[in-house]
Amino acid sequence: NAGVTQTPKFQVLKTGQSMTLQCAQDMNHEYMSWYRQDPGMGLRLIHYSVGAGITDQGEVPNGYNVSRSTTEDFPLRLLSAAPSQTSVYFCASSYAGEQYFGPGTRLTVT
Amino acid sequence: SQQGEEDPQALSIQEGENATMNCSYKTSINNLQWYRQNSGRGLVHLILIRSNEREKHSGRLRVTLDTSKKSSSLLITASRAADTASYFCATDGVFGANSKLTFGKGITLSVRP
Repeated sequence: NAGVTQTPKFQVLKTGQSMTLQCAQDMNHEYMSWYRQDPGMGLRLIHYSVGAGITDQGEVPNGYNVSRSTTEDFPLRLLSAAPSQTSVYFCASSYAGEQYFGPGTRLTVT
Repeated sequence: SQQGEEDPQALSIQEGENATMNCSYKTSINNLQWYRQNSGRGLVHLILIRSNEREKHSGRLRVTLDTSKKSSSLLITASRAADTASYFCATDGVFGANSKLTFGKGITLSVRP
């Protein structure tokens, strides 16, 4: 099993650009989520999904969209990147409460 | 808002010593988990303790949970340099195993060789 995979590992965007962070898992987990991690802030939940076709907002959803068309994939879209979205983004899938994290995407918005 | 708050923020110990990290939370929980994050990597699940459990062991890890005080502690015994990492506690609500997790800000542990 590859577990949770994320692409790209690094990305630099200009303000106003859009992009999609990819996340996939091969463990057949229903629950998936996206977090951002900023220095001194811990992890904050952006969006989550309890199964294909179902998504909901977390603590900091503004500026991000998600969709869940399959159990395996949970992409995160930045609609119009802003410097405040410079962060490390982690995708996770969950089974029985335990979360399995991907390696992260380090995003810089200039 | 952050549910779990870890204490201390940073801890530096000598290899072989024990490391104790604490977590406090505000509202009722279903379970509490501890995660480790090595520099530049994703989080790795260490241990989960349910609200009806008081203590749990996994190798050199011991976790306690006091629901009356809304607090938990993580003890790493006989620490090694490889234990150097950030440690996070995470809590979820009372609505099932896949309730949203809320993470604390983390504790930075440095183990000196």
